[in-house]
Amino acid sequence: QKEVEQNSGPLSVPEGAIASLNCTYSDRGSQSFFWYRQYSGKSPELIMFIYSNGDKEDGRFTAQLNKASQYVSLLIRDSQPSDSATYLCAVKSRPSAAGNKLTFGGGTRVLVKP
Amino acid sequence: DTAVSQTPKYLVTQMGNDKSIKCEQNLGHDTMYWYKQDSKKFLKIMFSYNNKELIINETVPNRFSPKSPDKAHLNLHINSLELGDSAVYFCASSHSALQGPDTQYFGPGTRLTVL
Repeated sequence: QKEVEQNSGPLSVPEGAIASLNCTYSDRGSQSFFWYRQYSGKSPELIMFIYSNGDKEDGRFTAQLNKASQYVSLLIRDSQPSDSATYLCAVKSRPSAAGNKLTFGGGTRVLVKP
Repeated sequence: DTAVSQTPKYLVTQMGNDKSIKCEQNLGHDTMYWYKQDSKKFLKIMFSYNNKELIINETVPNRFSPKSPDKAHLNLHINSLELGDSAVYFCASSHSALQGPDTQYFGPGTRLTVL
């Protein structure tokens, strides 16, 4: 079982609709959860992070965390063609001498069609 | 005013050669990282340094040797390059390895192609 799992997609979404991305993780002790966006040929850039159960909203993006179900999601409202990218879920392990290790999922490719 | 920079951006070399990639951050962060992203787009941690001290050393062939001359720089030297080393290598930095969510910021990447 992979530590962080995402559906690879592509997730095809009409412009203006809501894109819903899911991520599950295996380590119950995980502390923080991150969503990164990566355009083709570019580096990952942070969209948002969440560490408490519930929802966190930032502009058109909402992250949702359910630690009991080991599940984190990202909603993109009013999807735009510029949102077409690969979205990477990353999970920070429990604190240890190894520090701030992030484990990434394989990413979900999102295509927003005009 | 680039936050995390890497050189070179592209690197094409023959099998068996030795090469280095350099990374610098001007964010004043304490922690720096090297990641490898393969052709299937999986991004995997290789090494991490906190204030010049190695704190993460994943299962990586010992042909790969990181070096941190100071907390703003982290270099990656690769000996005896193999075809399977072809990938994009990303450097990242964060404020502090041991505290809070501690967001990581990525450099532009170095695309290494081994022929």
